[in-house]
Amino acid sequence: SAVISQKPSRDICQRGTSLTIQCQVDSQVTMMFWYRQQPGQSLTLIATANQGSEATYESGFVIDKFPISRPNLTFSTLTVSNMSPEDSSIYLCSAILQGDYGYTFGSGTRLTVV
Amino acid sequence: RKEVEQDPGPFNVPEGATVAFNCTYSNSASQSFFWYRQDCRKEPKLLMSVYSSGNEDGRFTAQLNRASQYISLLIRDSKLSDSATYLCVVTLRRSNYQLIWGAGTKLIIKP
Repeated sequence: SAVISQKPSRDICQRGTSLTIQCQVDSQVTMMFWYRQQPGQSLTLIATANQGSEATYESGFVIDKFPISRPNLTFSTLTVSNMSPEDSSIYLCSAILQGDYGYTFGSGTRLTVV
Repeated sequence: RKEVEQDPGPFNVPEGATVAFNCTYSNSASQSFFWYRQDCRKEPKLLMSVYSSGNEDGRFTAQLNRASQYISLLIRDSKLSDSATYLCVVTLRRSNYQLIWGAGTKLIIKP
């Protein structure tokens, strides 16, 4: 399986600002995804990060709020824009290797918006 | 109805006991099934895939019942280190890499 480095691991941000989260995978992966996990809740898929094209967003998530980049097969960023306290959550990136149905996750970014 | 449902627990189990929990899924077209483990404040990690014939990995046994649309996880001789939240995950089609997550079952192993 792949190893994913995600940073920052945590941040406290002022409302109205933006935070960019980075994920670096140690091998080329077929798919990369961004999830959000509220305290005590399961994971919610934000979007699929597509290499070289616009991300595919799930219902309830829009590009203006969560712009995503994936310039190559090993790197992706998620930006949480114009943050409000409701954006306080854990954000996780994940990746899957071709032919491997197991997902690997980054260690997560714990975001607190004040 | 949620697409994937789990009893949130917590299951409080003495060390050495056997514990089992189920997960039900609503879409009969579900193709792939997994159990993930998530420790407190950590990311989910794949515990095991669930195959139609059932599979075992050490103290862990996973089974799939397509007719009743549930999967199960059995943990034998439970250890303190088994304390975690266990997440049930399904995918709808083999070509669809998107996962549908259960909310998790919290397991607490007590000495």
